[in-house]
Amino acid sequence: DQQVKQNSPSLSVQEGRISILNCDYTNSMFDYFLWYKKYPAEGPTFLISISSIKDKNEDGRFTVFLNKSAKHLSLHIVPSQPGDSAVYFCAASATGGSEKLVFGKGTKLTVNP
Amino acid sequence: GAVVSQHPSWVICKSGTSVKIECRSLDFQATTMFWYRQFPKQSLMLMATSNEGSKATYEQGVEKDKFLINHASLTLSTLTVTSAHPEDSSFYICSAIAGSSYNSPLHFGNGTRLTVT
Repeated sequence: DQQVKQNSPSLSVQEGRISILNCDYTNSMFDYFLWYKKYPAEGPTFLISISSIKDKNEDGRFTVFLNKSAKHLSLHIVPSQPGDSAVYFCAASATGGSEKLVFGKGTKLTVNP
Repeated sequence: GAVVSQHPSWVICKSGTSVKIECRSLDFQATTMFWYRQFPKQSLMLMATSNEGSKATYEQGVEKDKFLINHASLTLSTLTVTSAHPEDSSFYICSAIAGSSYNSPLHFGNGTRLTVT
C-alpha cells in the first residue's frame, strides 16, 4: 500500500516557467513532509520541508504547499532552470522529523532551455 | 553542508557470497543512520535504523540475519548482505541526520548498486 504517491512519473517544462510537482498521501498521522532532489548516480539531496502546522513554506525559488484536508502537497519551482532537471521525491513521516521517512516513487522533471 | 560518504558505489558479486557496504558521515557525528533500498522505478524503502553502540532496528519484512548492520562508531555504519542472491540486487543507500533534532533533514550517501549474479 503506497502511503505517499507521486502520480506523475515525469514532467517537462520550459525554462523560466513554473514547475509544479504534486504529492498525495494517505496516512493522516503524517506530520512532517520533505522534498528531495536526486541527480543520476548521486544520493537525494534535501530541498525543503514543511510541518503539518503550516500550509506553506518558501525558500528562494522553491515553495511547498500543504493541504491537509486533501492530504496533498505540492512543490513549486519558479522560475525553473535547466539545472533543476532531476528526479524529485516527496517524503513524509509521522514522527515530526526525519525518522522513518516514507518516500514516493519520484517525478522526473525536465526543464528545457 | 553535511556529507555522507558511501562505499562502494557499485559492486557485482556471485550468488552465495557476502557484500559489505560502508556509510560514513564525514563532517558530523551521526548517532543514528538509516539504510534504504530502492528497486527500479520504486520508492526508497526504509530497511533499518542503525544506532551507534546498539542493535539496529529493522522494518517489518526485512531479515535481520540477512542484512547485518553494525554501527561501531559515531561516523561509520556498515550493511553486510549475507549469502546474497539475485533477488537482493538493488540500490542500497544510507543516510544520517546531521543536526541534533530529528527535525533536521536526512543527508544521503550516493548509494551502492548491488548486482548479484
